[in-house]
Amino acid sequence: EVQLVQSGAEVKKPGESLKISCKGSGYRFTSYWIGWVRQMPGKGLEWMGIIYPGDSDTRYSPSFQGQVTISADKSISTAYLQWSSLKASDTAVYYCAREAAGGSFDYWGQGTLVTVSS
Amino acid sequence: DIQMTQSPSSLSASVGDRITITCRASQSISSYLNWYQQKPGKAPKLLIYAASSLQSGVPSRFSGSASGTDFTLTISSVQPEDFATYYCQQIYSTPRTFGQGTKVEIK
Repeated sequence: EVQLVQSGAEVKKPGESLKISCKGSGYRFTSYWIGWVRQMPGKGLEWMGIIYPGDSDTRYSPSFQGQVTISADKSISTAYLQWSSLKASDTAVYYCAREAAGGSFDYWGQGTLVTVSS
Repeated sequence: DIQMTQSPSSLSASVGDRITITCRASQSISSYLNWYQQKPGKAPKLLIYAASSLQSGVPSRFSGSASGTDFTLTISSVQPEDFATYYCQQIYSTPRTFGQGTKVEIK
């Protein structure tokens, strides 16, 4: 069974750093792109970027380029999303998802709520 | 970036109604269009891929179609479990943009 399990909710202060994770199982982790999607409170879905764990090829949305870093450790089948300096506007639920061969997100993680508040 | 514009942003329907949600792309995307359903507090779920292909396990009352840069998601007979928010997504190019969502509520 394909599963993506994300790390737990985080509460941080502005300026702090953070790295959240997404662990894949039940499939060949290195053969599928993993994407990250942001959902701010009460808002829609925003595509942030994707990574191919097989070779770490990464694509970012221009809206998120330079604001976050997407990485992966294929040895432990885990993808990451990290911030070096959080802002209050980073408060959101972040989802990871597997991109199927056709380009759709066919499996999703449960989401990680990140709250940034002083 | 390719812009995806959904309409309406919300709609009210009764159980058994036929409903249609439209998504318009700002440029040609061929059939590179997906539809997702999201319920409150849950991750999105893939319903339709490649504009009209039903994802495995999704009820046949859901269907998708395309005409040029206009795409349609139809629910032939809305069931209580279908009240949710629906999003389109283009996968023609990166960034793979989503529409702003359509909330389907109970009338």
